[in-house]
Amino acid sequence: DGGITQSPKYLFRKEGQNVTLSCEQNLNHDAMYWYRQDPGQGLRLIYYSQIVNDFQKGDIAEGYSVSREKKESFPLTVTSAQKNPTAFYLCASSIGLVTSGSMVRQFFGPGTRLTVL
Amino acid sequence: SQQGEEDPQALSIQEGENATMNCSYKTSINNLQWYRQNSGRGLVHLILIRSNEREKHSGRLRVTLDTSKKSSSLLITASRAADTASYFCATDLYSGAGSYQLTFGKGTKLSVIP
Repeated sequence: DGGITQSPKYLFRKEGQNVTLSCEQNLNHDAMYWYRQDPGQGLRLIYYSQIVNDFQKGDIAEGYSVSREKKESFPLTVTSAQKNPTAFYLCASSIGLVTSGSMVRQFFGPGTRLTVL
Repeated sequence: SQQGEEDPQALSIQEGENATMNCSYKTSINNLQWYRQNSGRGLVHLILIRSNEREKHSGRLRVTLDTSKKSSSLLITASRAADTASYFCATDLYSGAGSYQLTFGKGTKLSVIP
């Protein structure tokens, strides 16, 4: 059963703590992404990775960090520097990055809802 | 950076009616995609339309694209209660080094009343 898994589904964090959100895929996809979604809003790109050991900042990378040590895994750490981390976090993957003329659909995980207490 | 904007923000219809959602974008695109999100879940890809296509069908879904007006519409025919979800359009936006990001609008929240 191929797909993307995210854990945990719900996460609570005290102010000042770092937390790490897990994202694993068994689709053999090269590209992986992290998005943040706030209520009534669209998705905003945090980080993305095209290949192992390489990742790029998205539109709202400040206060977040990622690693890509394995093709299957792309964990996101929400650091204490992120001032307003309460949100719904979505991980996605695709065969490759979107390039001119390509048609790349993204596959999404079920999401992690992070709440800061 | 947000490229697409959906309209309306919210739509409520009776089961069996058709639902139409619109998406407008700012810069030229290679393709446009529509995704669906059930409450509290991840997004699911529905359909992709290329910039040289004008209309595409998939089951009860019909997508049109008008590149001259920089707009797309998603029509769901004979709606069902299970169609209740948020619907997002996504377009490719050049992010440098030959790569593009998918950018998502804020979505249309569709409620289908049984």
